[in-house]
Amino acid sequence: GAGVSQTPSNKVTEKGKYVELRCDPISGHTALYWYRQSLGQGPEFLIYFQGTGAADDSGLPNDRFFAVRPEGSVSTLKIQRTERGDSAVYLCASSLGTSTGEQFFGPGTRLTVL
Amino acid sequence: DQQVKQNSPSLSVQEGRISILNCDYTNSMFDYFLWYKKYPAEGPTFLISISSIKDKNEDGRFTVFLNKSAKHLSLHIVPSQPGDSAVYFCAASEGAAGSYQLTFGKGTKLSVIP
Repeated sequence: GAGVSQTPSNKVTEKGKYVELRCDPISGHTALYWYRQSLGQGPEFLIYFQGTGAADDSGLPNDRFFAVRPEGSVSTLKIQRTERGDSAVYLCASSLGTSTGEQFFGPGTRLTVL
Repeated sequence: DQQVKQNSPSLSVQEGRISILNCDYTNSMFDYFLWYKKYPAEGPTFLISISSIKDKNEDGRFTVFLNKSAKHLSLHIVPSQPGDSAVYFCAASEGAAGSYQLTFGKGTKLSVIP
Protein backbone atom coordinates (compact mmCIF):
# COMPACT_ATOMS: atom_id res chain seq x y z
CA GLY A 1 0.00 0.00 0.00
CA ALA A 2 0.98 3.62 -0.49
CA GLY A 3 2.76 5.43 2.27
CA VAL A 4 2.40 9.06 3.28
CA SER A 5 2.93 11.34 0.32
CA GLN A 6 3.76 15.04 0.32
CA THR A 7 3.70 17.57 -2.47
CA PRO A 8 5.60 19.42 -3.68
CA SER A 9 8.90 17.77 -2.78
CA ASN A 10 10.63 21.13 -3.13
CA LYS A 11 9.27 24.65 -2.98
CA VAL A 12 11.25 27.84 -3.52
CA THR A 13 9.48 31.10 -2.81
CA GLU A 14 10.28 34.71 -2.12
CA LYS A 15 10.00 36.42 1.22
CA GLY A 16 6.48 37.66 1.82
CA LYS A 17 4.74 35.13 -0.44
CA TYR A 18 2.07 32.61 0.54
CA VAL A 19 2.69 28.85 0.26
CA GLU A 20 0.63 25.70 0.65
CA LEU A 21 2.10 22.30 1.42
CA ARG A 22 0.01 19.16 0.94
CA CYS A 23 -0.01 15.85 2.78
CA ASP A 24 -1.81 12.63 1.80
CA PRO A 25 -1.81 10.27 4.78
CA ILE A 26 -1.99 6.49 4.68
CA SER A 27 -5.55 5.42 3.90
CA GLY A 28 -7.51 4.74 7.07
CA HIS A 29 -5.18 6.67 9.36
CA THR A 30 -7.25 9.03 11.47
CA ALA A 31 -4.39 10.92 13.11
CA LEU A 32 -2.19 13.31 11.11
CA TYR A 33 0.80 15.33 12.30
CA TRP A 34 2.92 18.13 10.87
CA TYR A 35 6.54 18.61 11.93
CA ARG A 36 9.28 20.99 10.79
CA GLN A 37 12.94 20.01 10.60
CA SER A 38 15.62 22.67 10.38
CA LEU A 39 19.21 21.89 9.43
CA GLY A 40 21.03 19.96 12.14
CA GLN A 41 17.92 19.58 14.28
CA GLY A 42 15.38 16.87 14.91
CA PRO A 43 11.80 17.28 13.70
CA GLU A 44 9.76 19.75 15.77
CA PHE A 45 6.03 19.31 16.28
CA LEU A 46 3.69 21.84 14.70
CA ILE A 47 0.11 20.52 14.79
CA TYR A 48 -1.88 17.31 15.22
CA PHE A 49 -5.27 16.40 13.73
CA GLN A 50 -7.62 13.71 14.91
CA GLY A 51 -10.13 13.39 12.09
CA THR A 52 -11.03 16.82 10.77
CA GLY A 53 -10.24 18.79 13.90
CA ALA A 54 -6.95 20.17 15.13
CA ALA A 55 -6.51 18.40 18.46
CA ASP A 56 -3.25 20.17 19.34
CA ASP A 57 -1.81 23.19 17.53
CA SER A 58 0.57 24.23 20.28
CA GLY A 59 3.61 23.86 18.03
CA LEU A 60 2.59 26.41 15.42
CA PRO A 61 5.18 29.20 15.78
CA ASN A 62 2.83 32.13 15.08
CA ASP A 63 -0.40 33.08 13.34
CA ARG A 64 1.22 33.03 9.90
CA PHE A 65 0.96 29.25 10.06
CA PHE A 66 -2.36 27.48 9.61
CA ALA A 67 -3.36 23.93 8.71
CA VAL A 68 -6.61 22.31 7.63
CA ARG A 69 -7.93 18.80 7.10
CA PRO A 70 -11.49 19.39 5.89
CA GLU A 71 -12.48 15.81 5.09
CA GLY A 72 -10.34 13.98 7.60
CA SER A 73 -7.86 12.75 5.03
CA VAL A 74 -5.66 15.15 3.03
CA SER A 75 -4.18 18.05 4.98
CA THR A 76 -2.75 21.37 3.82
CA LEU A 77 -0.25 23.45 5.77
CA LYS A 78 -0.52 27.11 4.85
CA ILE A 79 2.14 29.72 5.52
CA GLN A 80 1.40 33.41 4.98
CA ARG A 81 3.94 36.19 4.49
CA THR A 82 6.83 33.73 4.43
CA GLU A 83 10.10 34.69 6.10
CA ARG A 84 13.62 33.38 5.49
CA GLY A 85 13.49 31.67 8.88
CA ASP A 86 10.62 29.49 7.63
CA SER A 87 13.08 27.63 5.39
CA ALA A 88 13.10 24.00 6.53
CA VAL A 89 11.86 20.54 5.63
CA TYR A 90 8.18 20.17 6.51
CA LEU A 91 7.31 16.60 7.44
CA CYS A 92 3.88 15.04 7.63
CA ALA A 93 3.11 11.84 9.53
CA SER A 94 0.03 9.74 10.08
CA SER A 95 -1.00 7.02 12.50
CA LEU A 96 -3.95 4.72 13.04
CA GLY A 97 -5.38 6.47 16.06
CA THR A 98 -4.72 8.48 19.13
CA SER A 99 -2.97 5.80 21.14
CA THR A 100 0.77 5.82 21.38
CA GLY A 101 2.33 4.03 18.51
CA GLU A 102 4.47 4.61 15.55
CA GLN A 103 3.86 7.54 13.28
CA PHE A 104 4.56 6.96 9.60
CA PHE A 105 6.38 9.85 7.98
CA GLY A 106 6.28 11.17 4.44
CA PRO A 107 9.41 12.24 2.56
CA GLY A 108 8.87 15.90 3.42
CA THR A 109 8.67 19.17 1.50
CA ARG A 110 11.84 21.23 1.43
CA LEU A 111 10.80 24.89 1.63
CA THR A 112 13.32 27.57 0.73
CA VAL A 113 12.42 31.20 1.26
CA LEU A 114 14.72 33.59 -0.61
CA ASP B 1 15.48 23.75 26.74
CA GLN B 2 15.87 20.43 24.93
CA GLN B 3 13.78 17.71 26.52
CA VAL B 4 15.35 14.91 24.48
CA LYS B 5 19.10 14.95 24.05
CA GLN B 6 21.38 12.92 21.85
CA ASN B 7 24.80 14.08 22.86
CA SER B 8 26.79 12.25 20.20
CA PRO B 9 26.35 13.87 16.78
CA SER B 10 28.14 10.98 15.09
CA LEU B 11 29.35 7.43 15.64
CA SER B 12 31.56 5.14 13.53
CA VAL B 13 31.47 1.38 13.97
CA GLN B 14 33.09 -1.51 12.17
CA GLU B 15 30.78 -3.88 10.30
CA GLY B 16 29.79 -6.84 12.47
CA ARG B 17 30.41 -4.99 15.75
CA ILE B 18 27.82 -3.54 18.11
CA SER B 19 26.50 0.01 17.66
CA ILE B 20 25.22 1.74 20.80
CA LEU B 21 23.28 4.98 20.41
CA ASN B 22 22.36 6.92 23.51
CA CYS B 23 19.53 9.26 24.41
CA ASP B 24 18.71 11.22 27.58
CA TYR B 25 15.49 12.99 28.47
CA THR B 26 14.45 15.49 31.09
CA ASN B 27 10.63 15.34 31.04
CA SER B 28 9.45 12.78 33.59
CA MET B 29 5.99 12.77 31.92
CA PHE B 30 7.36 10.96 28.88
CA ASP B 31 6.01 7.42 28.89
CA TYR B 32 6.64 6.16 25.38
CA PHE B 33 9.91 6.21 23.49
CA LEU B 34 10.73 5.51 19.87
CA TRP B 35 13.75 5.29 17.62
CA TYR B 36 13.58 6.43 14.03
CA LYS B 37 16.11 5.98 11.27
CA LYS B 38 16.52 8.55 8.51
CA TYR B 39 18.27 8.36 5.16
CA PRO B 40 19.02 11.57 3.21
CA ALA B 41 16.03 13.01 1.31
CA GLU B 42 13.63 10.56 2.98
CA GLY B 43 11.30 10.88 5.94
CA PRO B 44 12.14 9.18 9.24
CA THR B 45 11.34 5.45 9.36
CA PHE B 46 10.16 3.83 12.58
CA LEU B 47 12.60 1.32 14.01
CA ILE B 48 11.59 0.22 17.50
CA SER B 49 9.74 1.55 20.53
CA ILE B 50 9.42 0.97 24.26
CA SER B 51 6.81 1.80 26.85
CA SER B 52 7.89 3.18 30.20
CA ILE B 53 6.52 0.06 31.93
CA LYS B 54 9.27 -1.99 30.31
CA ASP B 55 13.04 -1.79 30.50
CA LYS B 56 13.90 -3.69 27.34
CA ASN B 57 12.41 -4.38 23.94
CA GLU B 58 14.04 -6.47 21.26
CA ASP B 59 13.34 -6.81 17.55
CA GLY B 60 15.84 -8.81 15.54
CA ARG B 61 19.18 -7.00 15.54
CA PHE B 62 17.73 -4.01 17.39
CA THR B 63 17.28 -3.74 21.16
CA VAL B 64 16.18 -0.69 23.10
CA PHE B 65 16.97 -0.37 26.80
CA LEU B 66 15.21 2.08 29.11
CA ASN B 67 16.53 3.24 32.48
CA LYS B 68 13.75 5.38 33.95
CA SER B 69 15.62 6.36 37.09
CA ALA B 70 18.46 7.75 34.98
CA LYS B 71 16.09 9.08 32.29
CA HIS B 72 18.25 7.34 29.74
CA LEU B 73 17.64 5.02 26.85
CA SER B 74 19.91 3.34 24.38
CA LEU B 75 19.59 1.54 21.06
CA HIS B 76 21.83 -1.45 20.43
CA ILE B 77 22.37 -2.75 16.92
CA VAL B 78 24.17 -6.06 16.64
CA PRO B 79 25.69 -7.02 14.34
CA SER B 80 26.00 -3.67 12.59
CA GLN B 81 25.70 -3.68 8.81
CA PRO B 82 26.71 -1.04 6.22
CA GLY B 83 23.00 -0.54 5.39
CA ASP B 84 22.49 0.66 8.97
CA SER B 85 24.42 3.84 8.11
CA ALA B 86 21.90 6.63 8.63
CA VAL B 87 20.86 9.31 11.11
CA TYR B 88 19.08 7.87 14.16
CA PHE B 89 16.56 9.96 16.09
CA CYS B 90 15.33 9.27 19.57
CA ALA B 91 11.75 10.49 20.23
CA ALA B 92 9.37 10.55 23.17
CA SER B 93 5.71 11.23 23.87
CA GLU B 94 3.39 11.75 26.86
CA GLY B 95 0.69 9.30 25.78
CA ALA B 96 -0.90 8.94 29.20
CA ALA B 97 -1.43 12.70 29.30
CA GLY B 98 -3.20 12.55 25.94
CA SER B 99 -0.34 14.23 24.11
CA TYR B 100 0.77 12.21 21.12
CA GLN B 101 3.17 14.68 19.60
CA LEU B 102 6.69 13.34 19.38
CA THR B 103 9.61 15.28 20.85
CA PHE B 104 12.80 14.43 19.00
CA GLY B 105 16.49 14.65 19.77
CA LYS B 106 18.91 16.17 17.27
CA GLY B 107 19.99 12.80 15.95
CA THR B 108 23.16 10.71 15.79
CA LYS B 109 24.76 9.94 12.44
CA LEU B 110 25.87 6.31 12.40
CA SER B 111 28.50 5.19 9.92
CA VAL B 112 29.12 1.46 9.63
CA ILE B 113 32.45 0.81 8.00
CA PRO B 114 32.73 -2.32 5.83
